[in-house]
Amino acid sequence: NAGVMQNPRHLVRRRGQEARLRCSPMKGHSHVYWYRQLPEEGLKFMVYLQKENIIDESGMPKERFSAEFPKEGPSILRIQQVVRGDSAAYFCASSRRELAETTDTQYFGPGTRLTVL
Amino acid sequence: SQQGEEDPQALSIQEGENATMNCSYKTSINNLQWYRQNSGRGLVHLILIRSNEREKHSGRLRVTLDTSKKSSSLLITASRAADTASYFCATIRDKLIFGTGTRLQVFP
Repeated sequence: NAGVMQNPRHLVRRRGQEARLRCSPMKGHSHVYWYRQLPEEGLKFMVYLQKENIIDESGMPKERFSAEFPKEGPSILRIQQVVRGDSAAYFCASSRRELAETTDTQYFGPGTRLTVL
Repeated sequence: SQQGEEDPQALSIQEGENATMNCSYKTSINNLQWYRQNSGRGLVHLILIRSNEREKHSGRLRVTLDTSKKSSSLLITASRAADTASYFCATIRDKLIFGTGTRLQVFP
């Protein structure tokens, strides 16, 4: 059973370009979470999605950032018109059920390191 | 804002010594989890403790939880150089909220 997969592992963009980060959850997991990690800091929650639904996007900037988890295919985190401050590691995690209801845990992908020049 | 705060921020010890890391959080929780992150890598889940549990063991790891003080500790016994990593606590309500982490370095 493959773990959570993210691609690309490294992404370099120039200011103003778009960045698309992909996350394929573990098989059987229908809950996906995106986190951002700045250097020397912890992970900060961005958005929580189930298939075709955004459940909680309270940690995601209102502008330029969007996320989706379509019925088929990976979850996508899209950053439009990137700025240098968007440079960070972006981690995706998945779980089988809602965390609040269970002692289930999240499984993390290896992350995508975004560098904005 | 971050829910948890780890203490200390950095810890250096010799192989064989024990390492203790503490985590404090602010609001009520369902569970608390500890994760490890090797430099430049994703997070690896270490251990989960439920809000009605006080102590849990897993191999060389021992986690305690004091909900009255809103704090948890992670003890790594007989540390090894391979334990060098950052350790994060994360609290759960409907999503994981991470602390800022403790950077542990174990010298051979």
